Formats: sequence, C-alpha cells, structure tokens
Amino acid sequence: DQQVKQNSPSLSVQEGRISILNCDYTNSMFDYFLWYKKYPAEGPTFLISISSIKDKNEDGRFTVFLNKSAKHLSLHIVPSQPGDSAVYFCAASGRNTDKLIFGTGTRLQVFP
Amino acid sequence: GAVVSQHPSWVICKSGTSVKIECRSLDFQATTMFWYRQFPKQSLMLMATSNEGSKATYEQGVEKDKFLINHASLTLSTLTVTSAHPEDSSFYICSARDPRVEQYFGPGTRLTVT
Repeated sequence: DQQVKQNSPSLSVQEGRISILNCDYTNSMFDYFLWYKKYPAEGPTFLISISSIKDKNEDGRFTVFLNKSAKHLSLHIVPSQPGDSAVYFCAASGRNTDKLIFGTGTRLQVFP
Repeated sequence: GAVVSQHPSWVICKSGTSVKIECRSLDFQATTMFWYRQFPKQSLMLMATSNEGSKATYEQGVEKDKFLINHASLTLSTLTVTSAHPEDSSFYICSARDPRVEQYFGPGTRLTVT
C-alpha cells in the first residue's frame, strides 16, 4: 500500500522554465511533508518542507504548495537550472513520529 | 547543514558472510536514527528506527535477526546484515534526526552479495 505517490516517474523541462513536481498521499494523519533531492548512489538532500497548518512555503527558487483537501502537494522550481537534474522524492510524516514515508520519486531533467 | 556519514560507501561480500555498516552524525547528537534500503529505481523503504540505548523498532516484514541494529551512542548507529544473500544486495541509507527538526541522510552504502 503506497501511502505517498508520485505518479510521474520523469519530467523534462527547459532551463529557465518552471518545474512542477507532484505528490499525492492517502493517509489523512500525515501532517508534515518534505521534499528531498537525490543523485544516484548518494543519500537524499533535504530541500524544503511544509507543515499541514500552511498551504505554501517558499525558499529561494523552491516553493511547496499543500492542498490538504485534495491530499496533494507540489514542488515548484523556478527558474529551473541544469544542476537541478536529479530524482526528487516527497516524504510525509505523522503526528508524534519521526518516521518518513517516501514517494516513488520523479526524475527531473533540465536541459539547456 | 548537519552532516551524516556512512562507512563503508560500498562493500562486496560473499554469500553467507556478515557485513556491518556504520552511520555517524558528525556535528550533532541524534537520539534517533533510521535505516532505509533502496532497490534500483524504487523508493526508499524504511527498515527500522534506531533509538539510542534501547532496542530498534523494525518495520513490518523486516527480519530483526537478519538486520541487527545497534545504537550505542548519540552519534553512532550500526546495521549488521547477517548471513547475507544475493537478495540482500541493495543501497542502504541511514538518516539521523537533528534536534532542530529535520532528518539528514547519509551518503548511502551499496552492498553487493556474490
């Protein structure tokens, strides 16, 4: 049972344009969401997070949007850069737990 | 940012042998560390939660006798894959929770069992 889903396995975006990565979850007990960036054979790197009490969090070129009613979150990267090319995982955790449930990942390729 | 290291970064072992992987938080104390494994092109799957000074909590389907976890100090957790078999070949990643909130991940250990 995949509680966190990223339905797009890959995304290709031109440099300078916006990249939008999507994530859906099924467990209504999740109240904290994170995005991680991962290169092959490396551990994930934390990018940005959002609490369920917010619907938007912005950090530089990265913005995460949360739609609780739809159980959907998205990561916007603008402008996209070739160095953003990596696999992006969304993750979720619930109240009173540090356990993270990861999505299946989306491979982003930013081309010149 | 916080740094988490893992050692070794890759290891090849023969079937039936045991392998120990270390996870260290380098600039903060972590009362809780997590162990994940990732198969090619798949998600990170949580194996167990490692708590300093107490027994690890294993996720459903993870054999505790096969994947031994020891969290001996606030900066070190070890995962020992006992009697490894080829199906245990995977990418193992640890993470440590910084008291300032976020989880930071180690660089991972690639295990190949021949």
